[in-house]
Amino acid sequence: DAGVIQSPRHEVTEMGQEVTLRCKPISGHDYLFWYRQTMMRGLELLIYFNNNVPIDDSGMPEDRFSAKMPNASFSTLKIQPSEPRDSAVYFCASSPSGRVGDEQFFGPGTRLTVL
Amino acid sequence: DAKTTQPNSMESNEEEPVHLPCNHSTISGTDYIHWYRQLPSQGPEYVIHGLTSNVNNRMASLAIAEDRKSSTLILHRATLRDAAVYYCILRGAGGTSYGKLTFGQGTILTVHP
Repeated sequence: DAGVIQSPRHEVTEMGQEVTLRCKPISGHDYLFWYRQTMMRGLELLIYFNNNVPIDDSGMPEDRFSAKMPNASFSTLKIQPSEPRDSAVYFCASSPSGRVGDEQFFGPGTRLTVL
Repeated sequence: DAKTTQPNSMESNEEEPVHLPCNHSTISGTDYIHWYRQLPSQGPEYVIHGLTSNVNNRMASLAIAEDRKSSTLILHRATLRDAAVYYCILRGAGGTSYGKLTFGQGTILTVHP
């Protein structure tokens, strides 16, 4: 298996533009997670899905952020409009289940820079 | 969520054992102790987890105190590739924390040749 795939790996955009980050989880995994990492706040969970259904979006910073999972093999995180403070590395992770013993497999991340 | 406390940084020499401590004095009876690490410019990766008993796997060992208020991740022979940020995370078995990982600041491990 190729692991969790994220695209693009790097994104540079201007303030006010729409940004879409993409994630393909490991096949067969029922849970998908979106995290954001910054120097100031560390690694934060934004939202996670179980069987394509959003379970907890309490970490989504504001309405400019939205996430979807239209099917078991694809998820998007969208920021509209983007702001410079959204600059961060965004990670997607998946796990076979939500059981406490299951590990989460992380993708390589998307480094977003908003100018 | 119960919190963990880790040293900001530690240093080791290559091929020596490394003991990374973690304090979690408010751990609940159903919290599991997970360790992840993040190598430079990569996503976090799972290292090990346990509940009460000490655990070993190919990457590391986890020693859990009898009262579960602290634990230690042990790398038996550090290599340069072990230089990373190591996160100690308490993961609940149910309730609102089900499935979630809450990362702290972690310990930056530097390995010297």
